[in-house]
Amino acid sequence: KNEVEQSPQNLTAQEGEFITINCSYSVGISALHWLQQHPGGGIVSLFMLSSGKKKHGRLIATINIQEKHSSLHITASHPRDSAVYICAVRPDYGGATNKLIFGTGTLLAVQP
Amino acid sequence: NAGVTQTPKFQVLKTGQSMTLQCAQDMNHEYMSWYRQDPGMGLRLIHYSVGAGITDQGEVPNGYNVSRSTTEDFPLRLLSAAPSQTSVYFCASGSRGYQETQYFGPGTRLLVL
Repeated sequence: KNEVEQSPQNLTAQEGEFITINCSYSVGISALHWLQQHPGGGIVSLFMLSSGKKKHGRLIATINIQEKHSSLHITASHPRDSAVYICAVRPDYGGATNKLIFGTGTLLAVQP
Repeated sequence: NAGVTQTPKFQVLKTGQSMTLQCAQDMNHEYMSWYRQDPGMGLRLIHYSVGAGITDQGEVPNGYNVSRSTTEDFPLRLLSAAPSQTSVYFCASGSRGYQETQYFGPGTRLLVL
């Protein structure tokens, strides 16, 4: 079983819809990252959080440390949001390194 | 700042050939790492470095070597390419510390025939 699980694996939405992508993990962590990868493109960090909630534009990320769960929400989705969204955790056994464990990603397609 | 740069963008190798994937960053980051991305799998850590002169193995180090002679550069060497090394390779860098963001390069797509 993967230490980081994302759901759904694939998601198709209509423009304007509210979207939620979930991430569950099974290890103790010191931080969780949400990343975005466009087709054929590089990887961009969206959020890094260790507690509570962060908001950037139409994107909101929440984390519940006790439940080992995080969600990424996109409000008023747009076709340009179409990408793979990746959850990654920094395990607290990583010591002084920045090692990350990655989920397999959620492929989001927003149709106009 | 250029951020994290990788060269080449795309490479085709024959089995048994060797090559070096280049990675450089201009943000004075101590931490650098190499990942590979394969279909249906999350990114997997190959090797990482917490500073010049210090490297360590990640999850899938076999068949790869790294060195870190400067803060800026972290090349990944494929010693004898195998078809199983066909993948997309990403280099990342960040400041040390668990609260720090990691910055990713644009990736190198490698095909081993």
